[in-house]
Parts: sequence; C-alpha cells; structure tokens
Amino acid sequence: QQQVKQSPQSLIVQKGGISIINCAYENTAFDYFPWYQQFPGKGPALLIAIRPDVSEKKEGRFTISFNKSAKQFSLHIMDSQPGDSATYFCAATVTSGTYKYIFGTGTRLKVLA
Amino acid sequence: NAGVTQTPKFQVLKTGQSMTLQCAQDMNHNSMYWYRQDPGMGLRLIYYSASEGTTDKGEVPNGYNVSRLNKREFSLRLESAAPSQTSVYFCASRPGGVRGNTEAFFGQGTRLTVV
Repeated sequence: QQQVKQSPQSLIVQKGGISIINCAYENTAFDYFPWYQQFPGKGPALLIAIRPDVSEKKEGRFTISFNKSAKQFSLHIMDSQPGDSATYFCAATVTSGTYKYIFGTGTRLKVLA
Repeated sequence: NAGVTQTPKFQVLKTGQSMTLQCAQDMNHNSMYWYRQDPGMGLRLIYYSASEGTTDKGEVPNGYNVSRLNKREFSLRLESAAPSQTSVYFCASRPGGVRGNTEAFFGQGTRLTVV
C-alpha cells in the first residue's frame, strides 16, 4: 500500500513534443505529490508538486494532472527541449506524522534535438 | 549556500569493511533522510530523522545504522559492507515539523562500490 508505481521506465521524445509520465498510488492517506528532476551525477531537485484538492497545476511548460478517484497523477512536459533530458521521479507522502517520501522507480527522458 | 553536503563523493570498499557516510545541512532543517538509488528501483528510504534526537527505520534499513549527531548532521554507517550495498546514496533534508514546508532538498550523492 506504500508503493508508488511509475511508467514508463524510459521515454524518447522529439524536440517540441509532449512528454507524459504516469504514476499510480494505493494509499489514500497520501496528501502531497511532488515530482523530482535528476540530472546525471546530481541529486534530485523538486520540479513541481500538487495536493489532492486540485486536479491540475501548471508551472511554465510543466503540468501535473491529478485524478483522485483513480489514484493516479501524471507529469506533462509541453514543448519538450533537449535540456529536459533527465530522470524524473514521482513521489507521495502523508504530510502529518513522520512525513516519509515514497518515490516511484523513475523515468529516464531523452529529448532528441 | 552549500545546502546539503555529502562526503565522500566516491568510495570503494572491500566486503566486510566498515565506513560512515557523512551528511550535513546548513539550512536549519529539522528532518533528514538517507536514501539509496539503484537502477530500476528508484529512491528507497533507508533511515530518517524527523527531528534532532530521533531516528526511525525506512523501507530498507538492514545492514545500516544512523546517527543524528546534531541538528545539522546525519550520518549513515555500514558496519560490514556487502556487495548488495553497492549503490548511490543520497542524503536529504526538509524544513520539517508536522505539516511544515514540504520540499526536500537533496545532496549530490555518494557513489559506493563494494567489491
């Protein structure tokens, strides 16, 4: 019940295309869903996050879509650029109590120039 | 701003050797975490410290111990390294407190190889 399932494992997109990464969870107590971006040799860094009281959040070219009833959320990268090539992790946590982040298995995105 | 600093960045150990991975943050954060990252497995929580003076097990604590030395520092110790502990280890911190600021900040990682 603590798992966060992420797909696809890898993704190749043409420059200017849309990249879509999906995550699903089971624990209905999760109330905060961040996405982290990781470049090779670096630590993950927060990209965008959402709480379940909204269905969508947009920051620039990055959008999270959230479906509470389906227990799914996804990251959309519009107008994908070669500089977006990185590994993306979805995560979930319960913001009360011990506040542990549970991460998905990651998606390696490559944007072709 | 240094943020979260991990030392060393790279380490090679022989099976059975011990070592301590160091982590320090200069952001006055309450909560600190140790994760390991393996191909296809994502980031798995080893141990965490919700606040100074407390530590708790995460998903994969076997073979590890931790010490929250003070508010700034959270170390991870491998008492008898095994090849299965070959991984990239990340320390993270969060401002903390229940319902506190939600963003976790990660260090650059320690790449550990056990031969």
